[in-house]
Amino acid sequence: QLQLQESGPGLVKPSETLSLNCTVSGGSIRTEINYWGWIRQPPGKGLEWIGSVSSSGSSHYRPSLKSRVSISVDMSQNQFSLRLTSVNAADTAVYYCARVKGFRIFGAVILGYFDYWGQGTLVTVSS
Amino acid sequence: EIVLTQSPGTLSLSPGESAILSCRASASVSSNYLAWYQQKLGQAPRLLIDGASSRATGIPDRFSGSGSGTDFSLTISRLEPEDFAVYYCQQYGSSPLTFGGGTKVEIK
Repeated sequence: QLQLQESGPGLVKPSETLSLNCTVSGGSIRTEINYWGWIRQPPGKGLEWIGSVSSSGSSHYRPSLKSRVSISVDMSQNQFSLRLTSVNAADTAVYYCARVKGFRIFGAVILGYFDYWGQGTLVTVSS
Repeated sequence: EIVLTQSPGTLSLSPGESAILSCRASASVSSNYLAWYQQKLGQAPRLLIDGASSRATGIPDRFSGSGSGTDFSLTISRLEPEDFAVYYCQQYGSSPLTFGGGTKVEIK
């Protein structure tokens, strides 16, 4: 059974960089078709996709966050990571990592739904 | 970006009743690439339905999804106590991936 676990600081100062890791167990992060992604949920609000990365390093980001976000994969550690720069109070949220089911259509892989999730970690942006 | 609007915001029902949740898209969702999730308080979302109508592994058959194009629905027949939660739809027919705002199913 695939399991994902987020780790990282729970408190980040405004204007600094938020960094989180997601460790995958019960399976390899190396996959031809699936992606690995980050989703966040501000307190009391809905879900927002941040971005996703394949094990080959191909990435897709939410346009509104694209200038501040990067997601990378470390296959030696079976981990993938999120970096969000220049954070502010609006970035306070529970951050989830998840596996993104991929689909091959006309030779290209597209992002799908999220079938395995981590438990989530609360990151607060405050001085 | 496809905007998903879920209604109602809150549904107050009793155990044993049926719930019908709506998810309307601002544009047609390609190939009916729509998923539904259940989220209980303090927990991560759980995948219920993908492809608009395919139940995920281990999901009871009282959960069913339907719809196409811009209008989708999730039906929960015979609500069990553990079904009271927040439900989200998500489209993956186009980028960026987007979620609806959620419907809370609460005990009446």
